[in-house]
Amino acid sequence: DVKVTQSSRYLVKRTGEKVFLECVQDMDHENMFWYRQDPGLGLRLIYFSYDVKMKEKGDIPEGYSVSREKKERFSLILESASTNQTSMYLCASSFSGPTSGSGSDTQYFGPGTRLTVL
Amino acid sequence: GESVGLHLPTLSVQEGDNSIINCAYSNSASDYFIWYKQESGKGPQFIIDIRSNMDKRQGQRVTVLLNKTVKHLSLQIAATQPGDSAVYFCAGYNAGNMLTFGGGTRLMVKP
Repeated sequence: DVKVTQSSRYLVKRTGEKVFLECVQDMDHENMFWYRQDPGLGLRLIYFSYDVKMKEKGDIPEGYSVSREKKERFSLILESASTNQTSMYLCASSFSGPTSGSGSDTQYFGPGTRLTVL
Repeated sequence: GESVGLHLPTLSVQEGDNSIINCAYSNSASDYFIWYKQESGKGPQFIIDIRSNMDKRQGQRVTVLLNKTVKHLSLQIAATQPGDSAVYFCAGYNAGNMLTFGGGTRLMVKP
């Protein structure tokens, strides 16, 4: 079974703090994704990566950055957390995807990190 | 642009009945669709998928139907159980080959 793990289930931070959210997948997937999920807005893509050291902006990258130093690990960074970044953050991975050329594949999700910024 | 939407925000069914959750999509070029189940406080869990060269796919107690003519897909859950209570999302790949998610339908199972 695919396993995607996230470093924290719940996190509380203060405005202005730097926040790191870690995601690890054990299926040797090339593609990894970070989403945030908010009531009424569904899942929105923040950043994704299709290879080590590669990253692409999603729909809402402002206020976030990412790091992919190893294939299995994809980190989301909030440089200076703000209250409007309070949300559920979901990491996902897939075997093929945006650059595969052969089409699409299933994204597998981690359990999520509920971040509260005070 | 691509949009993937669900018809109803909430669906309430009696335990043991069949559930049908619907989803519409706008991009006729979409060739792959996924249904996810998300329980409270958890990440979305893959249920079943279907490619555009199929009309129907069955899993354990779940069936996905794809109607490309009207750009509609549905998830059918047979003999709905309390453990099926969750939010269900459809997702499809858009023209940019990015996965787009519907807003979700909350399935409530009455005992």
